[in-house]
Amino acid sequence: DAGVTQSPTHLIKTRGQQVTLRCSPKSGHDTVSWYQQALGQGPQFIFQYYEEEERQRGNFPDRFSGHQFPNYSSELNVNALLLGDSALYLCASSPAGWTTRYGYTFGSGTRLTVV
Amino acid sequence: AQTVTQSQPEMSVQEAETVTLSCTYDTSENNYYLFWYKQPPSRQMILVIRQEAYKQQNATENRFSVNFQKAAKSFSLKISDSQLGDTAMYFCAFSGVIIQGAQKLVFGQGTRLTINP
Repeated sequence: DAGVTQSPTHLIKTRGQQVTLRCSPKSGHDTVSWYQQALGQGPQFIFQYYEEEERQRGNFPDRFSGHQFPNYSSELNVNALLLGDSALYLCASSPAGWTTRYGYTFGSGTRLTVV
Repeated sequence: AQTVTQSQPEMSVQEAETVTLSCTYDTSENNYYLFWYKQPPSRQMILVIRQEAYKQQNATENRFSVNFQKAAKSFSLKISDSQLGDTAMYFCAFSGVIIQGAQKLVFGQGTRLTINP
């Protein structure tokens, strides 16, 4: 049973460019959340998708957007990249409503470097 | 807004020793959940243990146990008989009520734990 799969694992982009990160949730999970983890810091919640809609959003600008597809996979898009967007981006999935019992299942993340 | 604080940026112990990682949090909610996650160099967050705020009994998972003090808003993790494979970043996390789908997690800054042979 595959866990959460994220692609790519590493990415280097130039300031001002746009980037798309992808996530396939664990089988049976329908809720996907994205977190940004700066070096040496704890993850920060970006947003969460459930039933193909953004349900919750953290304190991130509109340059960060996402999408969830009918198969529950998700994309995170970041426009007009800034040097400060360099971070590890983690995707986490769970069955809706069951997070408190099992916690999220996390992927290994995408390391984004903006130069 | 909820906040989670881990006051120990780094800790180091010898193999087989017991180590306790500290975590405090702030919330106005009465029902919530607390977690400890482990992040090894592979980067994947792994759930270590969870605690439901309405349960007074402290959670235990093999060598891992917590000391949950609700009134003090404290949630420490004790690792007994520490092993080299326990070396990792450890994050304390809080989640509150469900808002359409699943709760978001609020993480602390992490504690880097090193187990020495």
